[in-house]
Amino acid sequence: EAQVTQNPRYLITVTGKKLTVTCSQNMNHEYMSWYRQDPGLGLRQIYYSMNVEVTDKGDVPEGYKVSRKEKRNFPLILESPSPNQTSLYFCASRQGIISNQPQHFGDGTRLSIL
Amino acid sequence: AQSVAQPEDQVNVAEGNPLTVKCTYSVSGNPYLFWYVQYPNRGLQFLLKYITGDNLVKGSYGFEAEFNKSQTSFHLKKPSALVSDSALYFCAVRDGTGGYQKVTFGIGTKLQVIP
Repeated sequence: EAQVTQNPRYLITVTGKKLTVTCSQNMNHEYMSWYRQDPGLGLRQIYYSMNVEVTDKGDVPEGYKVSRKEKRNFPLILESPSPNQTSLYFCASRQGIISNQPQHFGDGTRLSIL
Repeated sequence: AQSVAQPEDQVNVAEGNPLTVKCTYSVSGNPYLFWYVQYPNRGLQFLLKYITGDNLVKGSYGFEAEFNKSQTSFHLKKPSALVSDSALYFCAVRDGTGGYQKVTFGIGTKLQVIP
């Protein structure tokens, strides 16, 4: 089954404790992206990657890092999480770099930073 | 800069009635337009897209959307609403000119179908 898998689905942690949210897709997609969803703000893009070792900032990259060492994986790293990063996070992938294809989304990771 | 507006936070409609969820957009070049649906505790699922061609596009679950270039709108419609259509709907736009990669989402519209 074609899917985007995020882990963990839920995490409660404390300010300053480094965490990583993993994202993996099994569709051999070139393009991957991270979003955060906040009430009244919709989805905002954090980072995206057009292929292995190619990443770029989205609209709200501050406080986040990403890496793309393998095509299927695109982890989101919070080096020193803060309460304003409490949010619902989605990873997505899309076939093709310059493409009109839709994105496939994971089921989300709800992060609470205390 | 590109943007998407979904002017209604919530739309209520009776089961069996037609529904419309509104979306307007702004892009510099040619718009690629998408509708996604989000059910509770799930990620977004693709419903339909407009890239080029016929202004009326049909998608999953009986939904359709009409692209109107002069009004820069891409409203989502369905002739007869089902209770199971109750969900959060997102409109998204991408500038299809020159390989631009960024996708901008609206804030979402909650659709409530009343039995």
